[in-house]
Amino acid sequence: EDKVVQSPLSLVVHEGDTVTLNCSYEVTNFRSLLWYKQEKKAPTFLFMLTSSGIEKKSGRLSSILDKKELFSILNITATQTGDSAVYLCAVVGTSYGKLTFGQGTILTVHP
Amino acid sequence: NAGVTQTPKFQVLKTGQSMTLQCAQDMNHNSMYWYRQDPGMGLRLIYYSASEGTTDKGEVPNGYNVSRLNKREFSLRLESAAPSQTSVYFCASSEISRGYFGPGTRLTVT
Repeated sequence: EDKVVQSPLSLVVHEGDTVTLNCSYEVTNFRSLLWYKQEKKAPTFLFMLTSSGIEKKSGRLSSILDKKELFSILNITATQTGDSAVYLCAVVGTSYGKLTFGQGTILTVHP
Repeated sequence: NAGVTQTPKFQVLKTGQSMTLQCAQDMNHNSMYWYRQDPGMGLRLIYYSASEGTTDKGEVPNGYNVSRLNKREFSLRLESAAPSQTSVYFCASSEISRGYFGPGTRLTVT
């Protein structure tokens, strides 16, 4: 059975801090790993990772995948209060694109 | 493109009542999903459908039924609602590379 585990489950930081969120997975026929941000509504897409060692970057957010060790990290530098959200990791596996989510990391950024 | 649409956005039911949540996508995706999300928890898969005419149970299927009416539509039915089914329900569809979510349905069962 496909499995995704995120850590930490919650994190409280102050503005300007850098955070690293972790996602490890076990999945049959790995296709891709996805990161989402959720703020009191439907999750919004951040990154898709398919290849090891290639960093995806968008502003202060970046992510990288290690397919050998079966994990990914999401980094947020110079955090802002607007980064407060639940960050979800999901993997796409099997031949028909089954989505399996981790339990999420709740990030709280204080001013 | 509307993406993934869900109806209704909000619903209050009494224990024992039934209802159907509707979901449609216009992206020609084969895979569709129903998730529920409870406070402090991640998205838990209720049912998924790999293609038209097929459905499979996810992590928490008890108390729910689904119907993949055609490639576009995937509905979730609560036959006899229970307070434990109070939750936010998300429909999603996916291609190989990423998943797309509907806006969610906030369901309260009293």
